[in-house]
Amino acid sequence: NAGVTQTPKFQVLKTGQSMTLQCAQDMNHNSMYWYRQDPGMGLRLIYYSASEGTTDKGEVPNGYNVSRLNKREFSLRLESAAPSQTSVYFCAGEGSGNTEAFFGQGTRLTVV
Amino acid sequence: GENVEQHPSTLSVQEGDSAVIKCTYSDSASNYFPWYKQELGKRPQLIIDIRSNVGEKKDQRIAVTLNKTAKHFSLHITETQPEDSAVYFCAAIGSGGSYIPTFGRGTSLIVHP
Repeated sequence: NAGVTQTPKFQVLKTGQSMTLQCAQDMNHNSMYWYRQDPGMGLRLIYYSASEGTTDKGEVPNGYNVSRLNKREFSLRLESAAPSQTSVYFCAGEGSGNTEAFFGQGTRLTVV
Repeated sequence: GENVEQHPSTLSVQEGDSAVIKCTYSDSASNYFPWYKQELGKRPQLIIDIRSNVGEKKDQRIAVTLNKTAKHFSLHITETQPEDSAVYFCAAIGSGGSYIPTFGRGTSLIVHP
């Protein structure tokens, strides 16, 4: 039982490059989330998916897109990376509403 | 939407002392309040949670209290140990059926041996 798995763990991008962060869960979560973590700012919601086939913007969606490919997978795409997107990104899943969120191990992204 | 304020941002204590972290929330519809611990370089993990029909919950050295009227909840750690050093996040969930966790900005707890 792997839980919530993110890839890659580390990534360095040049400004303007694109990339996709992958997230997969085997916990049968209905809801999945993407957060970014910056020093002193806590965990800020980028996008979320309340169920398969639906996605919605969170607090800081600009510069990102997401895809809920199926119930297991929720990817985050940066179309044109900017230095302001340097951060640690966490994917999380949650089962049935009002329960514990399980986090992936995080992706440390640096945009130079 | 929900807004969660967390204080203090940094807390330094001596081993054996108690530590208290406080959070306030804005949406009276929120009804689930988890606390997460994040060790350096690792993912946040749940350590304790409380629901709105309960005023206090304990698990060994940690406890959480909830005051729904005042819309605040607190994490209490007694007999702190160096391994308690980490960043702690509070969260509030359960507004209008969306169930999106809104997190506080975190508290960096440092326990000095």
